[in-house]
Amino acid sequence: EAQVTQNPRYLITVTGKKLTVTCSQNMNHEYMSWYRQDPGLGLRQIYYSMNVEVTDKGDVPEGYKVSRKEKRNFPLILESPSPNQTSLYFCASRDLGLAQYFGPGTRLLVL
Amino acid sequence: AQKVTQAQTEISVVEKEDVTLDCVYETRDTTYYLFWYKQPPSGELVFLIRRNSFDEQNEISGRYSWNFQKSTSSFNFTITASQVVDSAVYFCALSGGAYNYGQNFVFGPGTRLSVLP
Repeated sequence: EAQVTQNPRYLITVTGKKLTVTCSQNMNHEYMSWYRQDPGLGLRQIYYSMNVEVTDKGDVPEGYKVSRKEKRNFPLILESPSPNQTSLYFCASRDLGLAQYFGPGTRLLVL
Repeated sequence: AQKVTQAQTEISVVEKEDVTLDCVYETRDTTYYLFWYKQPPSGELVFLIRRNSFDEQNEISGRYSWNFQKSTSSFNFTITASQVVDSAVYFCALSGGAYNYGQNFVFGPGTRLSVLP
């Protein structure tokens, strides 16, 4: 089944404790991206990657890192999480027709 | 700059009513793509449809239909004979053409649709 997977689905952590949210797609898509969704602010892009080893900032990259060492994986790293990073995070991959397919989401709470 | 407006924040209908969700977009690109996504209460984002700027034909898929009108920069979504399972937040989105699609995937604010039994 073609899909984008994210782990974990739910995470509660404390300020300053590094965490990684994994993202993997099995559709051989070159383009992948990360979004956060917040009430009243909608979906905002954090980072995107056009291909392996090619990443670029989206609209809200501060406090996040990404890497793209393999085509299928695009992890999101929060080196020192803060409460304002509490959010619903989505990973997505994009096909040649430019439609984005989203993972199930990761709900993050930073205390 | 690209922008998507969904003027309807929330809509409530009774089951079996038809409902139209409005989407108006702004772009300077001559080639662009429009999308609709559904976000049910469970939270996932479900891709519904993609339309490119050169294809103004309306599309129907079961109870769903989409009306793309370039002249008014609108891409409206109609659900016929709505059902409770249609209750969700619906997002319209816009992307620039393939040469410029890296960062340019803009979502509208969403319309929350509640279908009452």
